[in-house]
Amino acid sequence: KQEVTQIPAALSVPEGENLVLNCSFTDSAIYNLQWFRQDPGKGLTSLLLIQSSQREQTSGRLNASLDKSSGRSTLYIAASQPGDSATYLCAVYGGATNKLIFGTGTLLAVQP
Amino acid sequence: GAGVSQSPSNKVTEKGKDVELRCDPISGHTALYWYRQSLGQGLEFLIYFQGNSAPDKSGLPSDRFSAERTGGSVSTLTIQRTQQEDSAVYLCASSLQGAGLTKETQYFGPGTRLLVL
Repeated sequence: KQEVTQIPAALSVPEGENLVLNCSFTDSAIYNLQWFRQDPGKGLTSLLLIQSSQREQTSGRLNASLDKSSGRSTLYIAASQPGDSATYLCAVYGGATNKLIFGTGTLLAVQP
Repeated sequence: GAGVSQSPSNKVTEKGKDVELRCDPISGHTALYWYRQSLGQGLEFLIYFQGNSAPDKSGLPSDRFSAERTGGSVSTLTIQRTQQEDSAVYLCASSLQGAGLTKETQYFGPGTRLLVL
């Protein structure tokens, strides 16, 4: 059974810092891994999707890496801003099960 | 529409009542998913539709939960005889084709916040 873990559970940083969020999963047979952002009272916004054959994806100040063999992914946020404050969720997609398995999330607070 | 929409956005009900939650997926998306987000439980899968059929219902927590999809579009999640532990945010997502595509992205609606008193 696939299990997805995220650390830390919560993180508070001053504005301008670079930070790394971690995601680990137990079953490496995945099709892709996605990082989502969730703002309070809102749905999920997809940030980055890394296909199983890829090692990393970049979008603006965000960079996500994937190491399938070790079951790990990281989300790197450069030059953090208060607007980055949200809960960040990683999720793995296994084609055989046609569903996303989510981690428990990291609550990020960027202090101005 | 431009995105996935869900209604109602908030629902308060009394224990024992039935509730219906609606999801309108992105036009043309054949795959539709329901998830539940509870305090202390995280975000968990409920059911997956491919067209109007549901090949994976493995996440439905009990037989009080059912869902249907009609016309390959709108889906309704029904909870019968609601219990307090059903209180959660119910999220709907859709994707273009569903199974087996490594580039497949799921797009989420804003959710329905259900509170059972």
